[in-house]
Amino acid sequence: DQQVKQNSPSLSVQEGRISILNCDYTNSMFDYFLWYKKYPAEGPTFLISISSIKDKNEDGRFTVFLNKSAKHLSLHIVPSQPGDSAVYFCAASGPGANSKLTFGKGITLSVRP
Amino acid sequence: KAGVTQTPRYLIKTRGQQVTLSCSPISGHRSVSWYQQTPGQGLQFLFEYFSETQRNKGNFPGRFSGRQFSNSRSEMNVSTLELGDSALYLCASSPWGAGGQPQHFGDGTRLSIL
Repeated sequence: DQQVKQNSPSLSVQEGRISILNCDYTNSMFDYFLWYKKYPAEGPTFLISISSIKDKNEDGRFTVFLNKSAKHLSLHIVPSQPGDSAVYFCAASGPGANSKLTFGKGITLSVRP
Repeated sequence: KAGVTQTPRYLIKTRGQQVTLSCSPISGHRSVSWYQQTPGQGLQFLFEYFSETQRNKGNFPGRFSGRQFSNSRSEMNVSTLELGDSALYLCASSPWGAGGQPQHFGDGTRLSIL
């Protein structure tokens, strides 16, 4: 029972263009959503998050959009840079500090110079 | 501020053995969670410790266990190792838990079972 789904395993974009990474969830109790970036041989690095009371959060080149009715979120990277090439994980948690984090399987982003 | 430290970085064991992995969280963080990552899979939640108590547990067999010490450092133990236990084991810490705040990860321990 996969509660967080990243249906596309990979994405390739040209440097300077927009990268759009998608994520769907099934558990309506989730109220906090995060994106992590992971390079080989390193642990995941927190990128950006959004609470369910918002529908957009921006941090520099990274913007996360949340559509609660569709149970869908997306990460936009503008402009994409070769250093953004990595695996991106979508994650979600429910209310309460003791809620666990549930991850998607990840999507490999390749940014072509 | 030092990040999450996991030791060792790499480990090779044989079937039937047991192993202990260590995690030192960011100073001041009281919540430590463990995850398993295998090829093609996301991060699978193992368990979370907060103030030396296991607060949450994933769907893993009892061969996987853990503990947390009074200084918030945590250890994970896997007994009777199987080939399928080969994976990257990641530890993450946060001030009080996974709800409403990001967890910060270490670089993991790569466990290989021969």
